[in-house]
Amino acid sequence: SQQGEEDPQALSIQEGENATMNCSYKTSINNLQWYRQNSGRGLVHLILIRSNEREKHSGRLRVTLDTSKKSSSLLITASRAADTASYFCARVRSRAGYALNFGKGTSLLVTP
Amino acid sequence: DSGVTQTPKHLITATGQRVTLRCSPRSGDLSVYWYQQSLDQGLQFLIQYYNGEERAKGNILERFSAQQFPDLHSELNLSSLELGDSALYFCASSFRTSWGTDTQYFGPGTRLTVL
Repeated sequence: SQQGEEDPQALSIQEGENATMNCSYKTSINNLQWYRQNSGRGLVHLILIRSNEREKHSGRLRVTLDTSKKSSSLLITASRAADTASYFCARVRSRAGYALNFGKGTSLLVTP
Repeated sequence: DSGVTQTPKHLITATGQRVTLRCSPRSGDLSVYWYQQSLDQGLQFLIQYYNGEERAKGNILERFSAQQFPDLHSELNLSSLELGDSALYFCASSFRTSWGTDTQYFGPGTRLTVL
């Protein structure tokens, strides 16, 4: 079953705008990870945020985590056409060898 | 480039056939994970191996099996293939498996088409 659910399913913005994607999950987590997937290609790890962290930055990416609401958000600032991709949040399955449970993803389109 | 390699990139076969997908993890990584990505099911965890031993199972069908060899490469065997097995199959590797704090590095995937 997919424990992470991203919202919105699809997002279309123009270059230079900010993009915000949300992720909700159902059970407690050790950490939550965000990945990017360009069309039909492998997943690229973006950020890991631990359950005791509230915010984390990496370049133009900002991830927040609210464990009380069981939700996380990924903000991409000053978006570029190259940011066009699908973005997934993933929860670690602590009882399954720490494999990842992925949501269905947010498809982001950034137009010039 | 993640350092994880998968072969072949594409595979087209017929229903009822058997195929083998191969994965070489990043140098030094001991854990290998297999995932399936399809339009209707999304990304699903199939199975994990750690240093040659099966560590965890996810939504893997009985027709599917995997193994990890002493040199740490892994193979995913899919048999009695059905149309619904058409999907992207990803391999990921990480150094260890403790607390899930290790990043998983994904390979480029094998696209399987069953006709």
